[in-house]
Amino acid sequence: EDQVTQSPEALRLQEGESSSLNCSYTVSGLRGLFWYRQDPGKGPEFLFTLYSAGEEKEKERLKATLTKKESFLHITAPKPEDSATYLCAVQGRGSTLGRLYFGRGTQLTVWP
Amino acid sequence: GAVVSQHPSWVICKSGTSVKIECRSLDFQATTMFWYRQFPKQSLMLMATSNEGSKATYEQGVEKDKFLINHASLTLSTLTVTSAHPEDSSFYICSARSDRGQTDRNQPQHFGDGTRLSIL
Repeated sequence: EDQVTQSPEALRLQEGESSSLNCSYTVSGLRGLFWYRQDPGKGPEFLFTLYSAGEEKEKERLKATLTKKESFLHITAPKPEDSATYLCAVQGRGSTLGRLYFGRGTQLTVWP
Repeated sequence: GAVVSQHPSWVICKSGTSVKIECRSLDFQATTMFWYRQFPKQSLMLMATSNEGSKATYEQGVEKDKFLINHASLTLSTLTVTSAHPEDSSFYICSARSDRGQTDRNQPQHFGDGTRLSIL
């Protein structure tokens, strides 16, 4: 079965202190790896899709990278508004209709 | 683009009543919709998947008679929690995706803002 493990579970950063979140995955033929941001009491907000090892995508202070076993979400000079839970999910070749397997997320807190 | 609206955002009701939650894709046609349940500080647990024109597929352990799903159209899916009890209290989230006109089948799911259900 496809599996996703995210680390750390929680991360506290001072504003401006760059860091990375990790997503390790096991999947039978990766069709896509997805990053989402979830604010408290809200649904996840789509950030990125990565399809193959070596691919990178950026959006403002976020950059997602992908290898054959893991993905990293790099946060450069974070601001308090970046505080949220970041979820990673994978879709394998065996997934029907776009089913995703989610990790438990990394809860990021950025303090001023 | 890719906006999904979920209603209501929260509901409180007595034990034994049925509750209906709506999920609408506002600016695209959703060929597939998903219903999730999320417990505090936990990830999303998929309950069921519904594809246009066919019955919903439920995950193992999810009672289909308890959680009724109707994918009424390409823009609307509903989840009805029948005879709700306090243990059904949770955060329910829907998502939608579309494969229409896409050569790339790896389209992301787009999520609603969830429904907080509290059963007294």
